Amino acid sequence: EAQVTQNPRYLITVTGKKLTVTCSQNMNHEYMSWYRQDPGLGLRQIYYSMNVEVTDKGDVPEGYKVSRKEKRNFPLILESPSPNQTSLYFCASSFGAGNTEAFFGQGTRLTVV
Amino acid sequence: AQKITQTQPGMFVQEKEAVTLDCTYDTSDQSYGLFWYKQPSSGEMIFLIYQGSYDEQNATEGRYSLNFQKARKSANLVISASQLGDSAMYFCAMREGNFFSSGSARQLTFGSGTQLTVLP
Repeated sequence: EAQVTQNPRYLITVTGKKLTVTCSQNMNHEYMSWYRQDPGLGLRQIYYSMNVEVTDKGDVPEGYKVSRKEKRNFPLILESPSPNQTSLYFCASSFGAGNTEAFFGQGTRLTVV
Repeated sequence: AQKITQTQPGMFVQEKEAVTLDCTYDTSDQSYGLFWYKQPSSGEMIFLIYQGSYDEQNATEGRYSLNFQKARKSANLVISASQLGDSAMYFCAMREGNFFSSGSARQLTFGSGTQLTVLP
């Protein structure tokens, strides 16, 4: 089954404690991205990757890091989480062509206290 | 400036009736795509329908259709014969550019969403 898998689904952490949210897709997609969803703001892109070792900033990259060492995996790293990073996070992948849908992971609800 | 505008934070519709969710967009690109996603209370994002900027016909997928008015830059979602399971948040999104565009042009830009509630 074609899917994007994110882990964990829920996470509560404390300010400053490094964390990683994993994302893996089994569709051999080149294009992967991370979004955060906040009430009233829709989804905003954090980082994206066009292929292995090729990553770039989206609209809200501050406080986040990513890596793309393998095509299937695109982890999101918060080196020093802060309460304003409390949000719902989505990983998405797509073939990248203009008319292809993005497949989304199940979401990770992160709370930073 | 907002690239995607959804002006209806919340909508109610009676079961079995049709409902239109509004979406307007702003782009100077000639090539772009418009998407609608559904997000039920469980949180996942479900792709519903796609419309390309060069498509002459309005897209349809089962009970979903996209009322595409290019000159007005609107891409409204029409759900016919609403069902209780249609209650969810609905997002309109746009991807500017095409297959050959740079990476940043391939991102999806989302609107703020419309919460649809279907009443029994």
